[in-house]
Amino acid sequence: QSALTQPPSASGSPGQSVTISCTGTSSDVGDYNYVSWYQQYPGKAPKLMIYEVTKRPSGVPDRFSGSKSGNTASLTVSGLQAEDEADYYCSSYAGSDNLVFGEGTKLTVL
Amino acid sequence: QVQLVQSGAEVKKPGASVKVSCKASGYTFTDYYMHWVRQAPGQGLEWMGWIKSDSGGTNYAQKFQGRVTMTRDTSISTTYMELSGLRSDDTAMYYCARKLHIGTTWNLHYWGQGTLVAVSS
Repeated sequence: QSALTQPPSASGSPGQSVTISCTGTSSDVGDYNYVSWYQQYPGKAPKLMIYEVTKRPSGVPDRFSGSKSGNTASLTVSGLQAEDEADYYCSSYAGSDNLVFGEGTKLTVL
Repeated sequence: QVQLVQSGAEVKKPGASVKVSCKASGYTFTDYYMHWVRQAPGQGLEWMGWIKSDSGGTNYAQKFQGRVTMTRDTSISTTYMELSGLRSDDTAMYYCARKLHIGTTWNLHYWGQGTLVAVSS
């Protein structure tokens, strides 16, 4: 199972919106609505930001939103804030009781 | 509140095995699968597999089949991940993780603090 494809980096200025893509195949992202997004600060455990493509756990700001089209899922961060600077990973159910992660994207707030 | 507390850092020689524990509290242990995820230094997240906490059934990522064994002890709400035949590229932070709640699936909301496993001769 290959890792999902994410851009290595993304950036935006405070207040702007940025979108991070996560491209898989018709066997994972394209076939199931089980895409999640995680935020990770250096030296910390990942934090779930989005699950089941569009849902936010309690406590996650509504500036974070998820979507999917075909084999590509996306995370949009609106109204960028300095504390949004982190690594972001997507994951998807890949069938046969397997999970696959994306390669990760480093988000920089300029 | 849900907590996952992992065992401490380990240093192992190539070829050895390591066994990492993850003690759960704050919920009914047998109601949830436990997943294991690792992250090599400076690298991304890598899913290793899961164990069904009630039956002990397992499913491992193909990459780790034959080298990883996940077990659990329901009497102490603890899950274990043992990795054998360690190589230098197994040096990583190892995490246990659980989903958000029953009714959701294939997400990892609660995470242990991580256990650093270093493999060096």
